[in-house]
Amino acid sequence: QTVVTQEPSLTVSPGGTVTLTCASSTGAVTSAYFPSWFQQQPGQAPRSLIYNINNKHSWTPARFSGSLLGGKAALTLLGVQPEDEAEYYCLVYDGSGWVFGGGTKLTVL
Amino acid sequence: EVQLVESGGGLVQPGGSLRLSCAASGFTLSDHWMAWVRQAPGKGLEWMGNRKEDGSGECFLDSVKGRFIISRDNAKNSVYLQMNNLRAEDSAVYYCARGDRGYAEGAYWGQGTQVSVSS
Repeated sequence: QTVVTQEPSLTVSPGGTVTLTCASSTGAVTSAYFPSWFQQQPGQAPRSLIYNINNKHSWTPARFSGSLLGGKAALTLLGVQPEDEAEYYCLVYDGSGWVFGGGTKLTVL
Repeated sequence: EVQLVESGGGLVQPGGSLRLSCAASGFTLSDHWMAWVRQAPGKGLEWMGNRKEDGSGECFLDSVKGRFIISRDNAKNSVYLQMNNLRAEDSAVYYCARGDRGYAEGAYWGQGTQVSVSS
């Protein structure tokens, strides 16, 4: 099965900008992978932030955006807030089913 | 308000079976794909499989193929995960999640139900 790779951890200062990426073992992540992004706070269920590359839900804060960048899916946070400290997961479709990345622990410090 | 409530988790011995349920409310279940996702303690998310509106679909994860079955009953607004021949490595929190149009897999999630496999 496809292996999806994310940065294990990233650190960002409050008010800063950070980009998380999501790579596939099968090659470049394209629009056909329909990448999504999820946020999970400790002890809580995941929450969807971005779907199908760059689409936001009604509850997604404006500072979150999705894109394709250099053969990967990317999640950018512009103007990071302390409450953004969480685990972030990408999810991609590999033609057979959906596969999660290993997650990125984002620390706001 | 969209609500997904999982139930049926608990402690089971290796080789045993459990049937998890996901009760949906606040929307028409037959309009949506429904998926099961699990998370082992301290680990990441694993997408297990889904059932489409028409009932087709399967468990995708290699480690559970042939042991786990996803089903749904739109009339009862419920989705199920039948888990057979359980192993210690199946211990996890199990979530059901709703898919939305536009490839929004996992747009809404339940709070999860804990499954522990141990003798």
